Amino acid sequence: QSVLTQPPSASGTPGQRVTISCSGSTSNIGTNTVNWYQQLPGTAPKLLIYFNNQRPSGVPDRFSGSKSGTSASLAISGLQSEDEADYYCAAWDDSLNGVVFGGGTKLTVL
Amino acid sequence: QVQLQQWGAGLLKPSETLSLTCAVFGGSFSDYYWTWIRQPPGKGPEWIGEINHSGSTNYNPSLKSRVTISVDTSKNQFSLKLSSVTAADTAVYHCAAASEYGLDVWGQGTTVTVSS
Repeated sequence: QSVLTQPPSASGTPGQRVTISCSGSTSNIGTNTVNWYQQLPGTAPKLLIYFNNQRPSGVPDRFSGSKSGTSASLAISGLQSEDEADYYCAAWDDSLNGVVFGGGTKLTVL
Repeated sequence: QVQLQQWGAGLLKPSETLSLTCAVFGGSFSDYYWTWIRQPPGKGPEWIGEINHSGSTNYNPSLKSRVTISVDTSKNQFSLKLSSVTAADTAVYHCAAASEYGLDVWGQGTTVTVSS
């Protein structure tokens, strides 16, 4: 049972916009910033969004993040086939004194 | 740019000790918290713990009694030991470099299977 809650799946057609939600609590998302990771099949996760809405160098601006209260969202616009992957949210948890993750959302591009 | 290369035994019997090592190439060893994360089959990642260059550690409370993370600054390496493993410890184990931005760099992962 993951500390952060994500929908297990999401889907969209090429060119569409999809959003993935992440729900937490006051000890994690409510107090600390949220990261998003993309995991392509057979590879290690890759940092996609940091500080709630910042993109590392090389991440397309089709990816955007937001946070409100104890929830966060990842939006992907102009969906492409190569976006098909698992997406995980994560945040520092002050009660655990460590990083907590969501269970992951499998994005399918139809 | 930091790169990580990890290695260790991939098949263990119940009650044995898991031992993995991660070598750090490039970057400054003191700039990161060196982290271990595992991912059970079909599940999300689980943070195991972290260590900095001076040896200060944080562990996941659910694993704390069985986990030791250590660092060897002379070799730019850090290691994970998890004692008394069971089938529930079967997972892909990743080392990672954590900065203020998040888990910036990940190792390639080691599949660890616990089976009698």
